[in-house]
Amino acid sequence: DSGVTQTPKHLITATGQRVTLRCSPRSGDLSVYWYQQSLDQGLQFLIQYYNGEERAKGNILERFSAQQFPDLHSELNLSSLELGDSALYFCASSVGQGARTGELFFGEGSRLTVL
Amino acid sequence: DQQVKQNSPSLSVQEGRISILNCDYTNSMFDYFLWYKKYPAEGPTFLISISSIKDKNEDGRFTVFLNKSAKHLSLHIVPSQPGDSAVYFCAASANTGFQKLVFGTGTRLLVSP
Repeated sequence: DSGVTQTPKHLITATGQRVTLRCSPRSGDLSVYWYQQSLDQGLQFLIQYYNGEERAKGNILERFSAQQFPDLHSELNLSSLELGDSALYFCASSVGQGARTGELFFGEGSRLTVL
Repeated sequence: DQQVKQNSPSLSVQEGRISILNCDYTNSMFDYFLWYKKYPAEGPTFLISISSIKDKNEDGRFTVFLNKSAKHLSLHIVPSQPGDSAVYFCAASANTGFQKLVFGTGTRLLVSP
């Protein structure tokens, strides 16, 4: 158990819909990262927040947005969903702002299926 | 543009033998490399890392080798155990700005008894 909690674990929805994925970081961790893993792909970095502020953006679509709340949990909002958005979405957390130490702790992921 | 490549989608070895997982990268700015292990229905977990100032880092049965001139790194597991069966991801970061991790596509290792 990494201490990172993601909900829901599985989600099935239709094209054009909007979903929200939730992440609670490990206790004490200030950074939250979102990654997307599509079929047979590596983990693609989407976005990072540190203590409530956006720190870095990766390959995140404009239809996607995220935020980190004062209690440090984070939500990833995916809208106008397309079939290609079907993927495993991972949240990770770390104490600091960067990923140099390798100590990113990952949740179990939220599997999104768009039909 | 796949900056971190793991060209072998899968690898099968027998228990007790050596497992060698390979990773190539293209971005010469990468100077920190990591391996993550992932079991089904779990998130990736950090395994071992290496800085570009080193060419080898060892942790128990796991050793990572870095060849900067070839832009290649490898993970050696000796001896391999059935519990090592998992997907292994190589990741890299550059010491610029945010230092985000760039992941490879993973290699599925199967260690048979």
